[in-house]
Amino acid sequence: SQQGEEDPQALSIQEGENATMNCSYKTSINNLQWYRQNSGRGLVHLILIRSNEREKHSGRLRVTLDTSKKSSSLLITASRAADTASYFCATVEYGNKLVFGAGTILRVKS
Amino acid sequence: DAGVIQSPRHEVTEMGQEVTLRCKPISGHDYLFWYRQTMMRGLELLIYFNNNVPIDDSGMPEDRFSAKMPNASFSTLKIQPSEPRDSAVYFCASTLSWDEQYFGPGTRLTVT
Repeated sequence: SQQGEEDPQALSIQEGENATMNCSYKTSINNLQWYRQNSGRGLVHLILIRSNEREKHSGRLRVTLDTSKKSSSLLITASRAADTASYFCATVEYGNKLVFGAGTILRVKS
Repeated sequence: DAGVIQSPRHEVTEMGQEVTLRCKPISGHDYLFWYRQTMMRGLELLIYFNNNVPIDDSGMPEDRFSAKMPNASFSTLKIQPSEPRDSAVYFCASTLSWDEQYFGPGTRLTVT
């Protein structure tokens, strides 16, 4: 079974709004990563947060990690039509095992 | 660098045929990963190599699947014989560390 489970499965918002996606996982991790996949393309790494970090920012992206709840969230602020894509969380367990979640499909309407 | 290169981009074959997917990782990356993506099962790790050596092949579905990495700049994933349920997008990714993976564009395989 997949380690990371994203919520919601699909999200539709208007351009300019914020989009929040959540990821839950089951085991202890070394770090958690978020990736974006545009239709018909490979995944692109967005941001990484380590197990000893609680929050990280990169441009319009904000990631939080709560290891006690085994959960993470990805916030995209001031969304744009170009942010339309699938977003995946991936957990890296100790011992080098990387597992991807099922993904959240984000649609930003202009 | 051109990024991770995969070929072919699309493959249509008949059930029972052998299929070979190819991957050229980013130069200098010593980890290479093969993934399979389907609507039903999402993104699954099939196998990964470190310095050309297979480290974890627990995700390989069955004996019909095999992967090789004869040198640092080339890897193949072979399916023999292919079945319709193997239809998926197959991704290759490479990295220097486990902090970020670089994905290729994928090979869309259709087995009829």
